[in-house]
Amino acid sequence: DTAVSQTPKYLVTQMGNDKSIKCEQNLGHDTMYWYKQDSKKFLKIMFSYNNKELIINETVPNRFSPKSPDKAHLNLHINSLELGDSAVYFCASSQEDRKGPQFFGPGTRLTVL
Amino acid sequence: SQQGEEDPQALSIQEGENATMNCSYKTSINNLQWYRQNSGRGLVHLILIRSNEREKHSGRLRVTLDTSKKSSSLLITASRAADTASYFCATGPGTYKYIFGTGTRLKVLA
Repeated sequence: DTAVSQTPKYLVTQMGNDKSIKCEQNLGHDTMYWYKQDSKKFLKIMFSYNNKELIINETVPNRFSPKSPDKAHLNLHINSLELGDSAVYFCASSQEDRKGPQFFGPGTRLTVL
Repeated sequence: SQQGEEDPQALSIQEGENATMNCSYKTSINNLQWYRQNSGRGLVHLILIRSNEREKHSGRLRVTLDTSKKSSSLLITASRAADTASYFCATGPGTYKYIFGTGTRLKVLA
């Protein structure tokens, strides 16, 4: 069974559209994250949720809105997509003590045309 | 500026050789982790070293940590073609945030 899964794997859309990426983990972890990896492979944290509560919002434009319906899910909705949003988005999770390893999903490659 | 920076940015070696990559960081940490990313995949956790540890081993991996120099190194011994990947360090300051470095792209030639 996949530990951290994301859908879709690829997303191609036009500028100005709204899209969502879904993430689910079956590890029983309390903390989940969204990361953005740019074309230079730089990985930057966007959001962190613990027990469905937003803990970190790293100066991400408010066009990005995460939603955690329960501990196992963290979705990312993006409004009014821009060219600069093109990147690979990774979901990850870790145990509540947040000092251990993070488990990453396979990523969603978003291309905005 | 970034918390973690790996050095070198790219490394190309022959199969069987050892690969060493370094990570420098700026602030105090609780632990430092190394991850591997194969092309087109998510990151995979390799090893975690706590701030009160100086060296840790896992199979062919050896990690050292020097908190006085704010640096860590990852050594992969007897490298294999399957080790070809990007390697990232991530530093944890003890909050809900880990900061990743810029990565070292390792290529192991068969």
